[in-house]
Amino acid sequence: AQSVTQPDIHITVSEGASLELRCNYSYGATPYLFWYVQSPGQGLQLLLKYFSGDTLVQGIKGFEAEFKRSQSSFNLRKPSVHWSDAAEYFCAVGNYGQNFVFGPGTRLSVLP
Amino acid sequence: DTGVSQDPRHKITKRGQNVTFRCDPISEHNRLYWYRQTLGQGPEFLTYFQNEAQLEKSRLLSDRFSAERPKGSFSTLEIQRTEQGDSAMYLCASSWFPTRYNEQFFGPGTRLTVL
Repeated sequence: AQSVTQPDIHITVSEGASLELRCNYSYGATPYLFWYVQSPGQGLQLLLKYFSGDTLVQGIKGFEAEFKRSQSSFNLRKPSVHWSDAAEYFCAVGNYGQNFVFGPGTRLSVLP
Repeated sequence: DTGVSQDPRHKITKRGQNVTFRCDPISEHNRLYWYRQTLGQGPEFLTYFQNEAQLEKSRLLSDRFSAERPKGSFSTLEIQRTEQGDSAMYLCASSWFPTRYNEQFFGPGTRLTVL
């Protein structure tokens, strides 16, 4: 069965510090992988996606993620966090034409 | 293009009442998805349409849940005889299929509170 785990429920970082959010997936075929961000009261906004090719993908707002097939991981990174990055982050897995399976999310808090 | 819209944004109802939510997808998108998101969890897939055809509905939570997309444009999600456990955020997303990326665009959601 398809599944996504995000081991960290809540992460707190200082503004300007680097960030890494973990995502592990279980999927029977070649996965399409996504990271979405959700601010309070808002819908989900796509940060980046991976389908094939270069395993390091760049997204919006300075985020990047690296696909590691051997580890079944797709971790999200940002070199310097801004206070506006405080939100809930969701990793999702899917495939061509299929619905997404989301992880439980990681809540990011940013200290001034 | 204004993105995916959902109405209402918030709904408070009493247990046992019926509720209906509306989703307007991005106009050129032929696929429309419904998800439920409970507090502290990621979105959970419920059902989806391609044009007016409902291609997957086995994930609807019970027979109290139903969805329609009669003209292949907007969609409605109805919950009959609501229960307190139905309290959640209901998200709608749309996409264009076939496309290499299957990227789904999400609306702001409808937050349901059942008293």
